[in-house]
Amino acid sequence: AQKVTQAQTEISVVEKEDVTLDCVYETRDTTYYLFWYKQPPSGELVFLIRRNSFDEQNEISGRYSWNFQKSTSSFNFTITASQVVDSAVYFCTHSGGSNYKLTFGKGTLLTVNP
Amino acid sequence: DTGVSQDPRHKITKRGQNVTFRCDPISEHNRLYWYRQTLGQGPEFLTYFQNEAQLEKSRLLSDRFSAERPKGSFSTLEIQRTEQGDSAMYLCASSLDIGSYNEQFFGPGTRLTVL
Repeated sequence: AQKVTQAQTEISVVEKEDVTLDCVYETRDTTYYLFWYKQPPSGELVFLIRRNSFDEQNEISGRYSWNFQKSTSSFNFTITASQVVDSAVYFCTHSGGSNYKLTFGKGTLLTVNP
Repeated sequence: DTGVSQDPRHKITKRGQNVTFRCDPISEHNRLYWYRQTLGQGPEFLTYFQNEAQLEKSRLLSDRFSAERPKGSFSTLEIQRTEQGDSAMYLCASSLDIGSYNEQFFGPGTRLTVL
Protein backbone atom coordinates (compact mmCIF):
# COMPACT_ATOMS: atom_id res chain seq x y z
CA ALA A 1 0.00 0.00 0.00
CA GLN A 2 1.08 3.54 -0.60
CA LYS A 3 1.96 5.88 2.23
CA VAL A 4 3.04 9.50 2.24
CA THR A 5 4.72 11.01 5.28
CA GLN A 6 5.04 14.71 5.89
CA ALA A 7 6.91 14.86 9.17
CA GLN A 8 6.56 18.63 9.56
CA THR A 9 3.11 19.40 10.91
CA GLU A 10 3.61 23.15 11.08
CA ILE A 11 6.30 25.56 9.91
CA SER A 12 6.44 29.26 10.65
CA VAL A 13 8.81 31.60 8.83
CA VAL A 14 9.27 35.29 8.31
CA GLU A 15 8.64 36.74 4.89
CA LYS A 16 11.54 36.40 2.43
CA GLU A 17 12.96 33.36 4.19
CA ASP A 18 13.44 30.18 2.20
CA VAL A 19 11.52 27.15 3.43
CA THR A 20 11.64 23.47 2.54
CA LEU A 21 8.72 21.11 3.03
CA ASP A 22 9.71 17.47 3.38
CA CYS A 23 7.92 14.49 1.90
CA VAL A 24 8.78 10.80 2.10
CA TYR A 25 6.72 8.16 0.36
CA GLU A 26 6.35 4.39 0.35
CA THR A 27 5.05 2.51 -2.65
CA ARG A 28 5.07 -0.90 -4.30
CA ASP A 29 4.17 0.54 -7.68
CA THR A 30 6.90 0.46 -10.29
CA THR A 31 5.28 3.37 -12.08
CA TYR A 32 3.82 6.14 -9.99
CA TYR A 33 3.29 9.86 -9.78
CA LEU A 34 4.01 12.37 -7.06
CA PHE A 35 2.31 15.70 -6.57
CA TRP A 36 2.18 18.73 -4.40
CA TYR A 37 -1.11 20.48 -3.74
CA LYS A 38 -1.71 23.74 -1.91
CA GLN A 39 -4.78 24.29 0.26
CA PRO A 40 -5.19 27.95 1.22
CA PRO A 41 -7.59 29.02 3.99
CA SER A 42 -10.41 29.12 1.42
CA GLY A 43 -10.17 25.31 1.34
CA GLU A 44 -9.85 24.59 -2.35
CA LEU A 45 -6.99 22.30 -3.36
CA VAL A 46 -4.69 23.84 -5.92
CA PHE A 47 -2.44 21.62 -8.03
CA LEU A 48 1.21 22.72 -8.02
CA ILE A 49 3.30 20.03 -9.66
CA ARG A 50 3.38 16.44 -10.88
CA ARG A 51 6.43 14.21 -11.29
CA ASN A 52 6.44 10.68 -12.62
CA SER A 53 8.67 7.96 -11.24
CA PHE A 54 10.89 7.90 -14.32
CA ASP A 55 11.79 11.55 -14.18
CA GLU A 56 14.10 12.52 -11.37
CA GLN A 57 15.02 15.88 -12.78
CA ASN A 58 14.54 18.68 -10.34
CA GLU A 59 12.16 21.38 -11.38
CA ILE A 60 11.97 25.07 -10.77
CA SER A 61 8.94 27.25 -11.34
CA GLY A 62 9.43 30.82 -10.24
CA ARG A 63 9.98 30.78 -6.47
CA TYR A 64 9.07 27.09 -6.25
CA SER A 65 11.44 24.18 -6.71
CA TRP A 66 11.12 20.46 -6.22
CA ASN A 67 13.76 17.84 -5.44
CA PHE A 68 12.76 14.27 -6.31
CA GLN A 69 15.16 11.57 -5.12
CA LYS A 70 14.05 8.03 -5.82
CA SER A 71 16.95 6.56 -3.82
CA THR A 72 15.60 8.08 -0.62
CA SER A 73 11.92 8.05 -1.66
CA SER A 74 11.70 11.75 -1.09
CA PHE A 75 10.02 14.58 -2.95
CA ASN A 76 10.81 17.83 -1.17
CA PHE A 77 9.39 21.24 -2.00
CA THR A 78 11.24 24.51 -1.51
CA ILE A 79 9.79 28.00 -1.57
CA THR A 80 12.37 30.70 -2.08
CA ALA A 81 11.81 34.19 -0.69
CA SER A 82 8.52 33.22 0.92
CA GLN A 83 5.57 35.60 0.86
CA VAL A 84 2.56 35.98 3.11
CA VAL A 85 0.37 34.65 0.28
CA ASP A 86 2.26 31.36 0.49
CA SER A 87 0.58 30.68 3.83
CA ALA A 88 -1.44 27.50 3.37
CA VAL A 89 -1.47 23.79 4.03
CA TYR A 90 0.69 21.90 1.54
CA PHE A 91 0.03 18.28 0.71
CA CYS A 92 2.41 15.81 -0.82
CA THR A 93 0.51 13.16 -2.75
CA HIS A 94 1.14 9.84 -4.47
CA SER A 95 -0.74 8.08 -7.22
CA GLY A 96 -0.14 4.66 -8.72
CA GLY A 97 -2.09 1.93 -10.48
CA SER A 98 -4.77 2.28 -13.09
CA ASN A 99 -7.30 4.06 -10.91
CA TYR A 100 -4.97 7.01 -10.29
CA LYS A 101 -6.51 7.66 -6.90
CA LEU A 102 -4.48 10.05 -4.78
CA THR A 103 -2.93 9.14 -1.44
CA PHE A 104 -2.30 12.29 0.55
CA GLY A 105 0.09 13.01 3.38
CA LYS A 106 -1.28 14.72 6.46
CA GLY A 107 -0.09 18.08 5.21
CA THR A 108 2.24 20.79 6.44
CA LEU A 109 0.76 24.07 7.61
CA LEU A 110 3.04 26.87 6.45
CA THR A 111 2.62 30.27 8.03
CA VAL A 112 4.57 33.14 6.54
CA ASN A 113 4.64 36.14 8.84
CA PRO A 114 5.21 39.67 7.56
CA ASP B 1 -16.54 29.29 -14.59
CA THR B 2 -15.43 26.00 -16.09
CA GLY B 3 -13.97 24.42 -12.96
CA VAL B 4 -15.39 21.67 -10.77
CA SER B 5 -18.39 22.86 -8.81
CA GLN B 6 -19.99 21.38 -5.72
CA ASP B 7 -23.30 22.05 -4.08
CA PRO B 8 -24.04 22.87 -1.35
CA ARG B 9 -20.88 24.43 0.03
CA HIS B 10 -22.04 23.93 3.59
CA LYS B 11 -24.54 21.57 5.13
CA ILE B 12 -25.61 21.33 8.75
CA THR B 13 -27.81 18.43 9.66
CA LYS B 14 -29.01 16.51 12.66
CA ARG B 15 -27.82 13.03 13.41
CA GLY B 16 -29.95 10.44 11.66
CA GLN B 17 -30.93 12.64 8.73
CA ASN B 18 -30.03 11.88 5.12
CA VAL B 19 -27.97 14.29 3.06
CA THR B 20 -27.06 14.46 -0.61
CA PHE B 21 -24.21 16.35 -2.24
CA ARG B 22 -23.75 17.15 -5.89
CA CYS B 23 -20.60 17.50 -7.96
CA ASP B 24 -20.39 18.90 -11.48
CA PRO B 25 -17.05 18.00 -13.06
CA ILE B 26 -15.18 19.86 -15.74
CA SER B 27 -16.94 19.31 -19.01
CA GLU B 28 -15.70 16.24 -20.91
CA HIS B 29 -13.76 14.89 -17.94
CA ASN B 30 -14.56 11.21 -17.85
CA ARG B 31 -13.18 10.43 -14.41
CA LEU B 32 -14.73 11.68 -11.21
CA TYR B 33 -13.44 11.10 -7.70
CA TRP B 34 -14.83 11.67 -4.21
CA TYR B 35 -12.55 12.27 -1.22
CA ARG B 36 -13.24 13.04 2.41
CA GLN B 37 -11.12 15.35 4.50
CA THR B 38 -11.40 15.58 8.27
CA LEU B 39 -9.88 18.34 10.35
CA GLY B 40 -6.11 18.31 10.36
CA GLN B 41 -5.83 15.43 7.89
CA GLY B 42 -5.23 15.03 4.22
CA PRO B 43 -8.08 14.02 1.93
CA GLU B 44 -8.87 10.30 1.79
CA PHE B 45 -10.15 8.50 -1.27
CA LEU B 46 -13.76 7.34 -1.15
CA THR B 47 -14.74 6.25 -4.65
CA TYR B 48 -14.32 6.99 -8.33
CA PHE B 49 -16.20 6.76 -11.60
CA GLN B 50 -15.08 6.20 -15.14
CA ASN B 51 -17.93 7.73 -17.09
CA GLU B 52 -21.05 6.34 -15.40
CA ALA B 53 -19.38 3.21 -13.98
CA GLN B 54 -18.33 3.20 -10.34
CA LEU B 55 -15.07 1.28 -10.50
CA GLU B 56 -13.74 1.34 -6.97
CA LYS B 57 -14.98 2.03 -3.47
CA SER B 58 -12.85 2.54 -0.40
CA ARG B 59 -13.54 0.56 2.74
CA LEU B 60 -14.24 3.99 4.26
CA LEU B 61 -17.46 4.01 2.28
CA SER B 62 -19.86 2.24 4.60
CA ASP B 63 -23.25 0.92 3.55
CA ARG B 64 -24.77 4.25 4.52
CA PHE B 65 -22.91 5.95 1.68
CA SER B 66 -23.92 5.71 -1.94
CA ALA B 67 -22.63 7.52 -4.98
CA GLU B 68 -23.98 7.75 -8.49
CA ARG B 69 -22.99 9.31 -11.73
CA PRO B 70 -25.92 8.97 -14.10
CA LYS B 71 -25.07 9.51 -17.76
CA GLY B 72 -21.45 10.08 -16.86
CA SER B 73 -21.90 13.75 -16.10
CA PHE B 74 -22.61 15.10 -12.61
CA SER B 75 -22.35 12.90 -9.55
CA THR B 76 -24.19 12.69 -6.26
CA LEU B 77 -23.00 11.39 -2.91
CA GLU B 78 -25.68 10.44 -0.44
CA ILE B 79 -25.18 9.69 3.22
CA GLN B 80 -28.05 8.00 5.00
CA ARG B 81 -28.65 8.12 8.75
CA THR B 82 -25.82 10.56 9.30
CA GLU B 83 -23.56 10.19 12.32
CA GLN B 84 -21.38 12.76 14.01
CA GLY B 85 -18.34 10.97 12.65
CA ASP B 86 -19.49 11.86 9.14
CA SER B 87 -18.67 15.51 9.80
CA ALA B 88 -15.99 16.39 7.28
CA MET B 89 -15.24 18.20 4.05
CA TYR B 90 -16.34 16.16 1.03
CA LEU B 91 -14.25 16.90 -2.02
CA CYS B 92 -14.93 16.07 -5.61
CA ALA B 93 -12.28 15.96 -8.33
CA SER B 94 -12.36 15.27 -12.03
CA SER B 95 -9.81 14.34 -14.63
CA LEU B 96 -9.56 13.33 -18.25
CA ASP B 97 -8.35 9.77 -18.75
CA ILE B 98 -6.22 9.71 -21.87
CA GLY B 99 -4.39 6.50 -21.15
CA SER B 100 -1.88 8.04 -18.81
CA TYR B 101 -2.15 10.07 -15.68
CA ASN B 102 -3.79 13.43 -15.93
CA GLU B 103 -4.20 15.95 -13.15
CA GLN B 104 -7.19 15.82 -10.89
CA PHE B 105 -8.90 19.16 -10.51
CA PHE B 106 -10.69 19.68 -7.25
CA GLY B 107 -13.91 21.46 -6.44
CA PRO B 108 -14.35 23.76 -3.43
CA GLY B 109 -15.83 20.99 -1.32
CA THR B 110 -18.98 20.54 0.74
CA ARG B 111 -18.47 20.96 4.46
CA LEU B 112 -20.82 18.71 6.40
CA THR B 113 -21.55 19.25 10.08
CA VAL B 114 -23.63 16.63 11.85
CA LEU B 115 -25.06 17.81 15.16
